[in-house]
Amino acid sequence: DAGVIQSPRHEVTEMGQEVTLRCKPISGHDYLFWYRQTMMRGLELLIYFNNNVPIDDSGMPEDRFSAKMPNASFSTLKIQPSEPRDSAVYFCASSSNGGADTQYFGPGTRLTVL
Amino acid sequence: DAKTTQPPSMDCAEGRAANLPCNHSTISGNEYVYWYRQIHSQGPQYIIHGLKNNETNEMASLIITEDRKSSTLILPHATLRDTAVYYCIVAIISNFGNEKLTFGTGTRLTIIP
Repeated sequence: DAGVIQSPRHEVTEMGQEVTLRCKPISGHDYLFWYRQTMMRGLELLIYFNNNVPIDDSGMPEDRFSAKMPNASFSTLKIQPSEPRDSAVYFCASSSNGGADTQYFGPGTRLTVL
Repeated sequence: DAKTTQPPSMDCAEGRAANLPCNHSTISGNEYVYWYRQIHSQGPQYIIHGLKNNETNEMASLIITEDRKSSTLILPHATLRDTAVYYCIVAIISNFGNEKLTFGTGTRLTIIP
């Protein structure tokens, strides 16, 4: 399996622009997680899905952030409008059901908002 | 509030065993101990997990004290590629699958040639 795939790997945009990050989980995994990592705050969970349904979005910082999972093989994290403080590395991870399972992380998207 | 306490950094000589400690004195009976690591610029990578018994896999061993208030991750023969930040996490695994993992600041392990 190719693992968790994220695109783009790098994104540079200007403040106020819309940003869309994409994730393809490992086939057969029914949990999908979005994380954000910064030097100041470390690795934070933003939201996670189970069977395409959002389960916990308490980590989403504010209404400018939204996430969708239209099907089992695709998810997006959208920021609109983007701000410089959104600059971070965004990771997507997936895992399968069945008790003590592990999360497999993608390579991340490095977002820079100017 | 932090559920685990780890030293911020450690060094280990290449070829020696690296022993990374973790305190989780408030762990509850249904919480597992997970270890992940993050090599620079990559996503975190699962290493091992356990409930109360010691565990071993191809990457590492996990030793959990009998009272479960602390654990040690052991990399038996550290290589330069083991240089990374190591995260110790406690998490409940529900009947519905794995719960969310809360990453702390971890231990930055540097393997010295």
